[in-house]
Amino acid sequence: AQSVAQPEDQVNVAEGNPLTVKCTYSVSGNPYLFWYVQYPNRGLQFLLKYITGDNLVKGSYGFEAEFNKSQTSFHLKKPSALVSDSALYFCAVRVPNFGNEKLTFGTGTRLTIIP
Amino acid sequence: ETGVTQTPRHLVMGMTNKKSLKCEQHLGHNAMYWYKQSAKKPLELMFVYSLEERVENNSVPSRFSPECPNSSHLFLHLHTLQPEDSALYLCASSQSTNTGELFFGEGSRLTVL
Repeated sequence: AQSVAQPEDQVNVAEGNPLTVKCTYSVSGNPYLFWYVQYPNRGLQFLLKYITGDNLVKGSYGFEAEFNKSQTSFHLKKPSALVSDSALYFCAVRVPNFGNEKLTFGTGTRLTIIP
Repeated sequence: ETGVTQTPRHLVMGMTNKKSLKCEQHLGHNAMYWYKQSAKKPLELMFVYSLEERVENNSVPSRFSPECPNSSHLFLHLHTLQPEDSALYLCASSQSTNTGELFFGEGSRLTVL
């Protein structure tokens, strides 16, 4: 069975500081990893994904994430946080497997950027 | 605007009511999904449709009944719900079921009294 853990329910960061939102996963096989963001009263929006290749992937709004196979992690990062980055962030994993390719989401991390 | 539209955005219903949630996607996608979002829980996948055929039903109670009349429309029919069914119901679509890039609607906030 595949699973995703987001160990922090809440992360607070001062505006202009770097931010990290943590994600670890547990799968059998090679994972495809995703980050989604949910702004208040909105649905989820795709941010970025790791499929294969370079471990550092870049996505929307200046976000990036690093795939670390040995630590089974896929942390989301941004060098300089904006107040508008305040939202709920979800990590998700999928293992390509014919007939069973469900996307499994974490519980979400609420990111608050303090002006 | 994500290309996936859900109505109504808010719904309050009694336990004996019958109501429906509607989802429409304007992206030409072949797969559509219903998810349930409750506070501090992972998103729960409820149903998956691929080319109008249901391909996944995750042990969802029969009081939730999906309908996919065509690849652009998805409904979730609700009947004799329980208060614990109160949640945000999210519809999503994707080009196929072989991708993790889903496009979500803004959700329908359901309150069951």
